Amino acid sequence: GENVEQHPSTLSVQEGDSAVIKCTYSDSASNYFPWYKQELGKRPQLIIDIRSNVGEKKDQRIAVTLNKTAKHFSLHITETQPEDSAVYFCAASSDKVIFGPGTSLSVIP
Amino acid sequence: EPEVTQTPSHQVTQMGQEVILRCVPISNHLYFYWYRQILGQKVEFLVSFYNNEISEKSEIFDDQFSVERPDGSNFTLKIRSTKLEDSAMYFCASSAWTHREETQYFGPGTRLLVL
Repeated sequence: GENVEQHPSTLSVQEGDSAVIKCTYSDSASNYFPWYKQELGKRPQLIIDIRSNVGEKKDQRIAVTLNKTAKHFSLHITETQPEDSAVYFCAASSDKVIFGPGTSLSVIP
Repeated sequence: EPEVTQTPSHQVTQMGQEVILRCVPISNHLYFYWYRQILGQKVEFLVSFYNNEISEKSEIFDDQFSVERPDGSNFTLKIRSTKLEDSAMYFCASSAWTHREETQYFGPGTRLLVL
């Protein structure tokens, strides 16, 4: 069945450094790729998304890249801040939305 | 800004009991979804619903589960005979158009504990 893999599972960075999370997907029909941030005990919150006709998208400190040929997409957070600490989920959408297993990001002040 | 709401926030039930989880999607949205998240694990798709019928469902969504839109605002998930492994956070979500390329907005979740 469809699968989304995500790496790393945990990531610790110093405040101000960059963080990169990578995902791969299996369903070539996927054409929408959202990223969600989930703080402990809270709902997933969409932080950025990218559609299949675009290779890169940026929103302030957050950027996402998509390589449809390789079925890879990545989240880049620059100038990380302690409030960026959370679990980040990538997802790929075709007939249904499949989430990756999540990356627990810790930003150390 | 409109939000998806869910009730109750927490539900404790005995194994074998029926539970109904309620959601009020964003008012002009047409597509509705249920997801579950077992503690410490990823979000898992259960079902999507459009035009008063299920459009997609996962392997998790077996005969014990059902969904309904009983009126113009509520969207419910019923678990007929709960099992211990149904303990999880259940999220409702809605989107204006098909999930293929449209942002889904999540509710705050219902934490279900089956004893």
